[in-house]
Amino acid sequence: QKEVEQNSGPLSVPEGAIASLNCTYSDRVSQSFFWYRQYSGKSPELIMSIYSNGDKEDGRFTAQLNKASQYVSLLIRDSQPSDSATYLCAVNKGGSYIPTFGRGTSLIVHP
Amino acid sequence: GAVVSQHPSWVICKSGTSVKIECRSLDFQATTMFWYRQFPKQSLMLMATSNEGSKATYEQGVEKDKFLINHASLTLSTLTVTSAHPEDSSFYICSARDNVGLAYEQYFGPGTRLTVT
Repeated sequence: QKEVEQNSGPLSVPEGAIASLNCTYSDRVSQSFFWYRQYSGKSPELIMSIYSNGDKEDGRFTAQLNKASQYVSLLIRDSQPSDSATYLCAVNKGGSYIPTFGRGTSLIVHP
Repeated sequence: GAVVSQHPSWVICKSGTSVKIECRSLDFQATTMFWYRQFPKQSLMLMATSNEGSKATYEQGVEKDKFLINHASLTLSTLTVTSAHPEDSSFYICSARDNVGLAYEQYFGPGTRLTVT
């Protein structure tokens, strides 16, 4: 089992819809969770970080963490074509500054 | 805030030559910086963790004598690809962790696209 798993997609949603991206992780001692967005040919950009169970909202983005079930998700409300990118989930084991990245999910928002 | 720069943004070099890539944290101090490599349509691969004032920690399978890392200050880390070969052509990305508190977030530089001919 990979340490951090994401469906590679592509996930295709219409403009204005909610895009739901999921990530599962295998190490129960993981404590820090991140979502990055990477446009084609560009480097990753940090979107959200979440450390506690529950939801964390920032604008159109909501990160959801469930440590008991070992998954973290990212919801993008009112999806825009400019949201089309690969979304990377990253997980830090407890006390470690070194994240493990998933392979990313490709999101396509079509007009 | 939390801006990381890389230089150069792209470089073309001949096989057998060496290339140095700089990574700078512009508005924060970074005890720890990371170097990644990414091939087209593949995921990020961590190459090494760079710690200011000490030797870098390389991931398994990464040749430390080929990929020389120096982290001489809290705002600068360099990666030198020595005796580059065409298979070293890739997108090299650095990231830095803000020293403040217990911050675990990493901020990525814009990347350096290396082409070895």
